[in-house]
Amino acid sequence: AQSVTQLDSHVSVSEGTPVLLRCNYSSSYSPSLFWYVQHPNKGLQLLLKYTSAATLVKGINGFEAEFKKSETSFHLTKPSAHMSDAAEYFCVVTPPLGNQGGKLIFGQGTELSVKP
Amino acid sequence: DAGVTQSPTHLIKTRGQQVTLRCSPKSGHDTVSWYQQALGQGPQFIFQYYEEEERQRGNFPDRFSGHQFPNYSSELNVNALLLGDSALYLCASSSGLGYSPLHFGNGTRLTVT
Repeated sequence: AQSVTQLDSHVSVSEGTPVLLRCNYSSSYSPSLFWYVQHPNKGLQLLLKYTSAATLVKGINGFEAEFKKSETSFHLTKPSAHMSDAAEYFCVVTPPLGNQGGKLIFGQGTELSVKP
Repeated sequence: DAGVTQSPTHLIKTRGQQVTLRCSPKSGHDTVSWYQQALGQGPQFIFQYYEEEERQRGNFPDRFSGHQFPNYSSELNVNALLLGDSALYLCASSSGLGYSPLHFGNGTRLTVT
């Protein structure tokens, strides 16, 4: 079975410092992986996706993530946090295509706080 | 270009009642998926509609049902509401049944008292 684990429920950083949000996945196949962001009282916005091409994926707003198969990880990073980055972040994995097409499996989420 | 729109934004219902939530997909999309997001949790997949048929279903009871119309819009119905049904209900649209990126609406906040 496939699953995704976000290792931190809450991360707090100062504005201008790096951001690291950790995600591990377990899967019997090579999944597609995504990071979504959710601002308060808003829907989910796709930050970036990995679909077996380059292992370093660049997304919107300066975020990027690196797929490491040996570590089954897909950590999200940003060199310098901005106040507007404060939100809930979800690591997401896909089930096998053809079996669960369109269904996404979400992690529990990591709340990012950014201090001035 | 309108994105995914959901209505209503907020809803308060009493236990045992029934509720209908509505979703219009992003222009050009023909597939609608519904998710339930309980407070402090990640979204959980309820079901997906394509060509007016339910194509996939998550681990939700039959009290949760849906419909897709010829214009691709969709409804989520929940019968015999329980307190535990209180959540943010998210609609997502995409193109086809593959893994084209999902576009989410802002959700409907359902409170069951």
